[in-house]
Amino acid sequence: AQTIHQWPVAEIKAVGSPLSLGCTIKGKSSPNLYWYWQATGGTLQQLFYSITVGQVESVVQLNLSASRPKDDQFILSTEKLLLSHSGFYLCAWSLGGVQDTQYFGPGTRLLVL
Amino acid sequence: GEQVEQLPSILRVQEGSSASINCTYENSASNYFPWYKQEPGENPKLIIDIRSNMERKQTQGLIVLLDKKAKRFSLHITDTQPGDSAMYFCAASETSGSWQLIFGSGTQLTVMP
Repeated sequence: AQTIHQWPVAEIKAVGSPLSLGCTIKGKSSPNLYWYWQATGGTLQQLFYSITVGQVESVVQLNLSASRPKDDQFILSTEKLLLSHSGFYLCAWSLGGVQDTQYFGPGTRLLVL
Repeated sequence: GEQVEQLPSILRVQEGSSASINCTYENSASNYFPWYKQEPGENPKLIIDIRSNMERKQTQGLIVLLDKKAKRFSLHITDTQPGDSAMYFCAASETSGSWQLIFGSGTQLTVMP
């Protein structure tokens, strides 16, 4: 069975500090991967998607970047955090394209102070 | 790009009654419409979805209707229980070439005993 793991579970970071969030998928070969951001009490905003290793497409520019160094790994990062980066970061995967079901990971809660 | 409007934002119903959530979308080429349930502090979980080749889908007390002409889709929860209390999100697939799922703003459903 496929499992999706996100790390860390939660982070408290200072404004201006760097950030790296990770996501791994086990049990599925060549999944499509997605990063979402959710403000507290808000909706889900897709940030990035990746169809294959080394290829990442940006959907929304929030001073964040993403990389896919391995088939089962998706990384979200920034060199300089803003207060507005606070929220819930969710990684998701699907087998097919955007018309295929997306399954969300447990998420990382980020608070920027 | 695609926009998805979701109403109502807050819904309170009595246990045992039905609850309905409505969403509208703009892009007539959108062809995939999932619904997610999110409990406090948890990740969103897919509860039902419908594709544009269907008008109605039903599973375990959930009914989804799709009216492509009106660009409207809806979720109906029959015989609601306190465990149905959660945030519900509708979404529509973007078809402009980017692999993007556009989410509605969410409906906070409370089922009162």
